[in-house]
Amino acid sequence: KNQVEQSPQSLIILEGKNCTLQCNYTVSPFSNLRWYKQDTGRGPVSLTIMTFSENTKSNGRYTATLDADTKQSSLHITASQLSDSASYICVVSQRRNNDMRFGAGTRLTVKP
Amino acid sequence: KAGVTQTPRYLIKTRGQQVTLSCSPISGHRSVSWYQQTPGQGLQFLFEYFSETQRNKGNFPGRFSGRQFSNSRSEMNVSTLELGDSALYLCASSPELHSRSGNTIYFGEGSWLTVV
Repeated sequence: KNQVEQSPQSLIILEGKNCTLQCNYTVSPFSNLRWYKQDTGRGPVSLTIMTFSENTKSNGRYTATLDADTKQSSLHITASQLSDSASYICVVSQRRNNDMRFGAGTRLTVKP
Repeated sequence: KAGVTQTPRYLIKTRGQQVTLSCSPISGHRSVSWYQQTPGQGLQFLFEYFSETQRNKGNFPGRFSGRQFSNSRSEMNVSTLELGDSALYLCASSPELHSRSGNTIYFGEGSWLTVV
């Protein structure tokens, strides 16, 4: 079954600290993996998109990694800010039928 | 350049009624996709339209339908509303089919539907 599992479910960190969010998937055949940030009550905003051949992609303080062999991805946030408080959603697309599978998200809270 | 616009932003409907939600994609984008988001199920893909044709469909009952017009604007309709249909309905647009590698998908702010 094509699944996307994210961990942790929620995370609280202090402003200025780094954190790493995990995404494991079983979607096959793999097409691409996306990370989104969603503020409460708002639509998701794209952070990164990675295809099979890409291992790392950065967007400012956000760095995503992909290990297609182990079917794992991580999103690393450097020097967190209060505005990073949001849900982070991992989305994996299947190549055969363009089916998109969503993770349940990680709820990040950054405290001063 | 304007983003994805969804209307209405909030609405309340009664069980058994039907509802139509509207989405205007970013200018030049030909793909419009729809998603349902609930606290229990998270984000779920409903369907995607490209050049007025439904290209992909998620696992939702036939009560959920949509269409796309020649100007790429899209509507989704839910008939015979159930309490469980209460959710945030998100629309997203992209230049090409949304799941194609490398395409960024731009989401609107969503329409909050409450069924009572």
